Amino acid sequence: TQLLEQSPQFLSIQEGENLTVYCNSSSVFSSLQWYRQEPGEGPVLLVTVVTGGEVKKLKRLTFQFGDARKDSSLHITAAQPGDTGLYLCAGARNTGNQFYFGTGTSLTVIP
Amino acid sequence: DAGITQSPRHKVTETGTPVTLRCHQTENHRYMYWYRQDPGHGLRLIHYSYGVKDTDKGEVSDGYSVSRSKTEDFLLTLESATSSQTSVYFCAIGGEAVGLDTQYFGPGTRLTVL
Repeated sequence: TQLLEQSPQFLSIQEGENLTVYCNSSSVFSSLQWYRQEPGEGPVLLVTVVTGGEVKKLKRLTFQFGDARKDSSLHITAAQPGDTGLYLCAGARNTGNQFYFGTGTSLTVIP
Repeated sequence: DAGITQSPRHKVTETGTPVTLRCHQTENHRYMYWYRQDPGHGLRLIHYSYGVKDTDKGEVSDGYSVSRSKTEDFLLTLESATSSQTSVYFCAIGGEAVGLDTQYFGPGTRLTVL
């Protein structure tokens, strides 16, 4: 059973479109991270959110942590081909200890 | 890039043979983690370490053991490899210096068990 469910699993959009990826759970997390992974490489950390309701922006990417700290979303504005990759969310139940990853969202941005 | 390397990067082995994967860091971070990544499952934690000689199990630890005799090295051993252990293995590091909920990943080791 996957502790964190991501949706959608696959997303193919045109350059310039907006998109949102969701990461949901019935469990509470002390923090939640978002990563991007490219083929043949390890995941690269994009952001960590720790406070319920927190919103963080990284250029065209907006990350939100749910008020109850059970879910998160990643919104990309005006997607570009360079955004193509596998997006993973991960939650920490106890600080520094176990991290649980979602199954990922594979994003393709078509020029 | 975080100073983290994994060796070997690729390995093909036969069922029943022992295999050891190495993770090496130059960052002096306290925490080190081993994950496996499989289609449909994402990344799953195998074992982690919170200091020299201090390790604990993750969610998929059966069939794996780890050792950490010094800060910079974290070894993952498959005592008797099985085909179900064919996967891509990632090491990650983290610690107080970068925030306890921050992890930096290595490039991965692709292991095939025939």
